[in-house]
Amino acid sequence: GIQVEQSPPDLILQEGANSTLRCNFSDSVNNLQWFHQNPWGQLINLFYIPSGTKQNGRLSATTVATERYSLLYISSSQTTDSGVYFCAVGGNEKLTFGTGTRLTIIP
Amino acid sequence: NAGVTQTPKFQVLKTGQSMTLQCAQDMNHEYMSWYRQDPGMGLRLIHYSVGAGITDQGEVPNGYNVSRSTTEDFPLRLLSAAPSQTSVYFCASRNPGSYGEQYFGPGTRLTVT
Repeated sequence: GIQVEQSPPDLILQEGANSTLRCNFSDSVNNLQWFHQNPWGQLINLFYIPSGTKQNGRLSATTVATERYSLLYISSSQTTDSGVYFCAVGGNEKLTFGTGTRLTIIP
Repeated sequence: NAGVTQTPKFQVLKTGQSMTLQCAQDMNHEYMSWYRQDPGMGLRLIHYSVGAGITDQGEVPNGYNVSRSTTEDFPLRLLSAAPSQTSVYFCASRNPGSYGEQYFGPGTRLTVT
C-alpha cells in the first residue's frame, strides 16, 4: 500500500515563530488532507488539498503532486496550535495516515 | 448539525467480551470509516463503507465486524475482545470527490483487561 512519511516527528517552538511541516508519499494520489489533533484528542480537518495551494488565516498548505509531497505552513504560532498534525493521502475510497508531527508551542 | 457522534466515550471490557461501538452522522455523507489510534502509530483504517449496504476491509480488520444498513449509521462490533484491541477508536465520514473533507467523531477510548 501507499507509504506516508511526515517530518519532523517533533517540533518545539516559541510563540510567534513560523514552521513548515512536510508530508511525503510513495504513490500518486487524488486525495490529500491535513488534520490537527488537539491536546484533548479531537481531530479537525485543516485542508483538502490534492494539488495546488490553499490558505486559511495563519495556515497554508501546498501540494506538489508530481513530486509526491505536501507542506503545511504555520505562521506566527500560538499556543493553541499545539498538538499533532497528520497528513492523510489516498484514492477515492481509502485514506492512509502518516504518523504525525507533534508541535509544541511555548509561551 | 451534530456532525459525527460516537458512543460510548469510554469503555472497559474483559477479555472475551463483545460489544458494539456506535457511530452516526447527520451530514448525508456517502463514505464512513473506522480507525484506531495507538501511541506512535497514527491512525489505522479498520473498515470503511462507500454507501449503505457496502463495506470493505481496511488495514487492520481482524477481530472487528461492520455493517451499514443506513446512510447515517456505521456500527463497529468487537466479536471477542482482546488486550491488543485496547485503543482509541475514531469514526469518520466524508463525501467523495473534490469537496470530500473528512470529519471525525470525538472518539471512544476502549480498554480491554
